[in-house]
Amino acid sequence: KAGVTQTPRYLIKTRGQQVTLSCSPISGHRSVSWYQQTPGQGLQFLFEYFSETQRNKGNFPGRFSGRQFSNSRSEMNVSTLELGDSALYLCASSRDGHHTEAFFGQGTRLTVV
Amino acid sequence: AQSVSQHNHHVILSEAASLELGCNYSYGGTVNLFWYVQYPGQHLQLLLKYFSGDPLVKGIKGFEAEFIKSKFSFNLRKPSVQWSDTAEYFCAVSPSGAGSYQLTFGKGTKLSVIP
Repeated sequence: KAGVTQTPRYLIKTRGQQVTLSCSPISGHRSVSWYQQTPGQGLQFLFEYFSETQRNKGNFPGRFSGRQFSNSRSEMNVSTLELGDSALYLCASSRDGHHTEAFFGQGTRLTVV
Repeated sequence: AQSVSQHNHHVILSEAASLELGCNYSYGGTVNLFWYVQYPGQHLQLLLKYFSGDPLVKGIKGFEAEFIKSKFSFNLRKPSVQWSDTAEYFCAVSPSGAGSYQLTFGKGTKLSVIP
């Protein structure tokens, strides 16, 4: 079966702009989680969605937001980009969010210049 | 809040050497434990997981891990590493009760296997 698909794979943005990243989960999975991966901080949890509802949110500023659609696809948005937002953004999908079978996408590499 | 500590930042081994990567977590309740691997240029993949039962769990590619509750540890082991095991390994924890749907990761351990 198809894996978790993230688009785009690479993105270059300028400080102050906003960006939207997309994640299509595995068919049948209703939970989508987002993580930020940087060399200094490692993997940090952003938020989790299940059936279009945000159930958990990590410790990130309000510039980071997300949503989930009725088909379980999810988007995350970062407004007013800062240089420190440069990172690999990973999406993970699972059936129920308890990570019994969490599958990760390839990620979107965001570079802010 | 939970936290995860991985003791080694970078480990270098020769092929056929044995591997043990340390992982300790901090959390007051019961947890689910995971080891993920990230091969160069590839996505994170689940190596093995522990939810309950036998504290010695076996995963893919000959890896195993032992949960020692009294030490809050979940160390990853492999008796004989191969060059293809070169990757970054992440330990992660998730509270097992309802209401928490996030993974907390350690900073990762880079493993380099020399042929």
